[in-house]
Amino acid sequence: NAGVTQTPKFQVLKTGQSMTLQCAQDMNHNSMYWYRQDPGMGLRLIYYSASEGTTDKGEVPNGYNVSRLNKREFSLRLESAAPSQTSVYFCASSEGTGGSGELFFGEGSRLTVL
Amino acid sequence: GNSVTQMEGPVTLSEEAFLTINCTYTATGYPSLFWYVQYPGEGLQLLLKATKADDKGSNKGFEATYRKETTSFHLEKGSVQVSDSAVYFCALDYTGTASKLTFGTGTRLQVTL
Repeated sequence: NAGVTQTPKFQVLKTGQSMTLQCAQDMNHNSMYWYRQDPGMGLRLIYYSASEGTTDKGEVPNGYNVSRLNKREFSLRLESAAPSQTSVYFCASSEGTGGSGELFFGEGSRLTVL
Repeated sequence: GNSVTQMEGPVTLSEEAFLTINCTYTATGYPSLFWYVQYPGEGLQLLLKATKADDKGSNKGFEATYRKETTSFHLEKGSVQVSDSAVYFCALDYTGTASKLTFGTGTRLQVTL
């Protein structure tokens, strides 16, 4: 009954370092998303993948790259981390076209960039 | 563009009090409206939704009615419990696929004994 699993849950980076956040879902969902959550800003969409093999930019894509590795997995990469990328990152999935429109979220990954 | 405005928190209530969290939206077309809840240390989860005007979404004693004339989707509960303490997010989606969800900034609810 895993749902959406994110790793790591916590990470501290120095400015300029790179890292990849991993996300996997076991619900056979077509669509996957990466959001960031910042105080007073709500959730903002970074990138999404409507289906396997496609990715699209969201509201705040600068400084990030994504890979839809297969239907289950969607990773988010920070090539050169900046303090402005300190945030809580959430991966989510949904059925996609024809589905209920409900998003299923992971538990979040807290990233601090020093 | 599309946007969601929620009342600022935190909202602090005593157990069994009546809850209202206001949400208004700006959108083109006729979006679906959602309330998501985030319990401490967890990701968001869907609380309720409404897909067209005058629809009422309900779950776990919470209700919200899609009011097109006032562009609102206020969340209500008649008697809150300590376990309802969480952050509540109003959101809209006009694609029908959740690919373009727009979230409000969230309202923190704290319920005390």
